[in-house]
Amino acid sequence: GENVEQHPSTLSVQEGDSAVIKCTYSDSASNYFPWYKQELGKRPQLIIDIRSNVGEKKDQRIAVTLNKTAKHFSLHITETQPEDSAVYFCAATLGRRLTGGGNKLTFGTGTQLKVEL
Amino acid sequence: NAGVTQTPKFRVLKTGQSMTLLCAQDMNHEYMYWYRQDPGMGLRLIHYSVGEGTTAKGEVPDGYNVSRLKKQNFLLGLESAAPSQTSVYFCASTEIPETQYFGPGTRLLVL
Repeated sequence: GENVEQHPSTLSVQEGDSAVIKCTYSDSASNYFPWYKQELGKRPQLIIDIRSNVGEKKDQRIAVTLNKTAKHFSLHITETQPEDSAVYFCAATLGRRLTGGGNKLTFGTGTQLKVEL
Repeated sequence: NAGVTQTPKFRVLKTGQSMTLLCAQDMNHEYMYWYRQDPGMGLRLIHYSVGEGTTAKGEVPDGYNVSRLKKQNFLLGLESAAPSQTSVYFCASTEIPETQYFGPGTRLLVL
């Protein structure tokens, strides 16, 4: 079945360093890859996404890269700050749509990022 | 514009009790989803709806029922709560394409 694996499960970096989180997916037809940030006790919030026709996308300190051949995509956070501390989830859509329409997101198991002063 | 809202925020149930979680969105989205979030397991899809009057099963539907009588509301029901249903429940909505907007979550504890 469809699967998204996410590594590492925990990541600790010093403020100002870069953080990289990696995900692999199993469905070669997957075509949409969002990343969500979830602060403690809060809802998941979309921070960046990428589609299969693009190899890289950047938004200020955050970037996502996609390697379709290898079926993996990564989140890069540069110049990390304490407020970046949160759980980050990757996700991927199925190549085929859900019955009746819409798209199912398969989520990774999350990475707890801690930015230390 | 409140986005996606959920009620209640927190609830404690005894095994065998029933309850309904309400999700409401004011973005006129067609698609709505219910997820549960458990430690170390990410978010798993329970049920979803592709429009008013429609519902369908996700990957973990057992023990839950849903209804979408109005476009803006998506209800998740537990007919006979079990301790295994202790979780945080998130509702999400979206219009095509796939970007999903999540509600604030409902924390449910079943004793």
